Amino acid sequence: AAGVIQSPRHLIKEKRETATLKCYPIPRHDTVYWYQQGPGQDPQFLISFYEKMQSDKGSIPDRFSAQQFSDYHSELNMSSLELGDSALYFCASSSKRGNPRGETQYFGPGTRLLVL
Amino acid sequence: AQTVTQSQPEMSVQEAETVTLSCTYDTSESDYYLFWYKQPPSRQMILVIRQEAYKQQNATENRFSVNFQKAAKSFSLKISDSQLGDAAMYFCAYTGTASKLTFGTGTRLQVTL
Repeated sequence: AAGVIQSPRHLIKEKRETATLKCYPIPRHDTVYWYQQGPGQDPQFLISFYEKMQSDKGSIPDRFSAQQFSDYHSELNMSSLELGDSALYFCASSSKRGNPRGETQYFGPGTRLLVL
Repeated sequence: AQTVTQSQPEMSVQEAETVTLSCTYDTSESDYYLFWYKQPPSRQMILVIRQEAYKQQNATENRFSVNFQKAAKSFSLKISDSQLGDAAMYFCAYTGTASKLTFGTGTRLQVTL
C-alpha cells in the first residue's frame, strides 16, 4: 500500500537560511498534519490542512508557513532558520470522508533538518 | 486542554515474555480516540493500535492489546510474546474534537534475550 512520502529525507542548512519541506499524502487522503520532534522529545503539532484550507494551528513559529495544494500535497516553508529548528519533521495524512473525527493519522518517514 | 501522561520512561522485557506500558490522559470530551505509536531507531512513527472511546471492547492487533478504562482515563498497552523487533519508543496519543494528535512523553522498551 502507498504510504506518505516526504522529501527531502535529510537537509542541512545554515542559520538564517530558508528551507522547504514537501509532503505527499496517501492517495485519497484529504487531510495533512505537520509535527516537529526535537531530540529526545515527543512530536509536537504544528499545523494541519483539510481540503486545502488550514484547519488547525499549533505551536508553529511565525517564521514558518505552510499550504496544501490542489493535488493535496503540502509544503512547509521555514525562513530565518535558527539552531533550535534542528529536528525531525513529520507529515501525517488521514481521510475525514465519512468520519469528521477519529480518523487515523499515518506518518511519513520524516525529514531530518540540521541547522548549523 | 488535553494531556497525555506516560509515567514509565523505560521498560525492559525478556524475549517471549509479556509487558504492559501505562498511559493516562485527561480530557473533558466524551468522544475521542486513543492510539499507540511505535518509533524504532529508524524514527519512523508506526501505528500499533487504535481505540475508540465509545467502544467498550478493548482493541486487539495480533500480539498487541489494550486495557481501556474510560472512567479512570487509563489506556495501557500489553505486548505478548515479546520479540526483539518490539524494541522501540512507544508513544501514547490522543485525538478529540481537534483532530491533531497529542502525545505522551514516550516509554522506551528494551527487549532482552
